[in-house]
Amino acid sequence: RKEVEQDPGPFNVPEGATVAFNCTYSNSASQSFFWYRQDCRKEPKLLMSVYSSGNEDGRFTAQLNRASQYISLLIRDSKLSDSATYLCVVKTGNNRKLIWGLGTSLAVNP
Amino acid sequence: DAGVIQSPRHEVTEMGQEVTLRCKPISGHNSLFWYRQTMMRGLELLIYFNNNVPIDDSGMPEDRFSAKMPNASFSTLKIQPSEPRDSAVYFCASSPVGDSNQPQHFGDGTRLSIL
Repeated sequence: RKEVEQDPGPFNVPEGATVAFNCTYSNSASQSFFWYRQDCRKEPKLLMSVYSSGNEDGRFTAQLNRASQYISLLIRDSKLSDSATYLCVVKTGNNRKLIWGLGTSLAVNP
Repeated sequence: DAGVIQSPRHEVTEMGQEVTLRCKPISGHNSLFWYRQTMMRGLELLIYFNNNVPIDDSGMPEDRFSAKMPNASFSTLKIQPSEPRDSAVYFCASSPVGDSNQPQHFGDGTRLSIL
């Protein structure tokens, strides 16, 4: 079993739709969680950290469920510019090593 | 502000040749990471440095790969001899001083093709 698993998609949604991605992780000792975004042929960039109580940044909401070992990302009112691959990232321990999912591909269509 | 700078952007070479990838982290960042990304395996951490010292090289695939960080502003990843299965995008990332949850800032990557 992979340490971090994501549905690869692709998710094809119309503009304005709400879309949600889940990510599961295998190590119950994982401490920190992030969503990164990667555009086609570009580098990954941090989208948001995921906090235990859940957190929101504009149209984006991240949730953590420790009991079931998954995190989620919800995008409301999706824009064409949201089209990208969303990478789920998990950190275990106090070192700086990140474990990356393979990513979920999102295409927002006009 | 300059981000992480990688060179070359693209490299095409024949198998058996030595390949050297270069990275200049963001000034003031004390952690540097080398990643490899492929469609099948996604982003894999090869090695990372804190304050120029290698901390975890468990991701380095084999002895053909080596990485150095002679000072705070420069790192290299070397593959010798290169093989076709090394073809991938190689990213360098750096993160600032502070707690270990600081975000990682990536360079544009080097697209490596071994023929």
